[in-house]
Amino acid sequence: VTLLEQNPRWRLVPRGQAVNLRCILKNSQYPWMSWYQQDLQKQLQWLFTLRSPGDKEVKSLPGADYLATRVTDTELRLQVANMSQGRTLYCTCSVGTGGHTGQLYFGEGSKLTVL
Amino acid sequence: GEQVEQLPSILRVQERSSASINCTYENSASNYFPWYKQEPGENPKLIIDIRSNMERKQIQGLIVLLDKKAKRFSLHITDTQPADSAMYFCAASGPNYNVLYFGSGTKLTVEP
Repeated sequence: VTLLEQNPRWRLVPRGQAVNLRCILKNSQYPWMSWYQQDLQKQLQWLFTLRSPGDKEVKSLPGADYLATRVTDTELRLQVANMSQGRTLYCTCSVGTGGHTGQLYFGEGSKLTVL
Repeated sequence: GEQVEQLPSILRVQERSSASINCTYENSASNYFPWYKQEPGENPKLIIDIRSNMERKQIQGLIVLLDKKAKRFSLHITDTQPADSAMYFCAASGPNYNVLYFGSGTKLTVEP
């Protein structure tokens, strides 16, 4: 059963152009939504965890700038700007009740390539 | 950030032998340790996990060991098959709720 739907799945990004990614949660029992990046060396790195609609965060990492927004209980967005190296962005979800980190499930990913 | 060290980065084994991957973590408050398998072109998939109230967990041919004193945990794959060939990632929970910190990955190749 698919818990998350990400789009686009692939995108060629001209240098200097921003791209907007979207993630839709299919099961509201996993409300803790996050973004992780996987770089070309396959390293997985946490970016953001946004629980509530209206939550927004920004972050700059080597090779890209990020703006994440929890739009609704079921939609998470990520804007990627100033990307200099390709990467894959994964949306994740978890239950996370009782004060414990829950099992984390990954979406299919959005693979970004710099032109 | 939270450091999770994973070794080896590359592992080749013969079919039907065992494969072991080791990870260490920094934060003594970490209490959840999952393992993910990622095949080429696919997303990471959870294969087994262990919480800090356990020292050992087994699901079929997968065994996870946790040594909290040494801040070390490991994955052991018994009776390996070519289908076990993939990238494997360990992870540890950190001080932020519902956040995982990942090791750098192990590329496992099981040769027939």
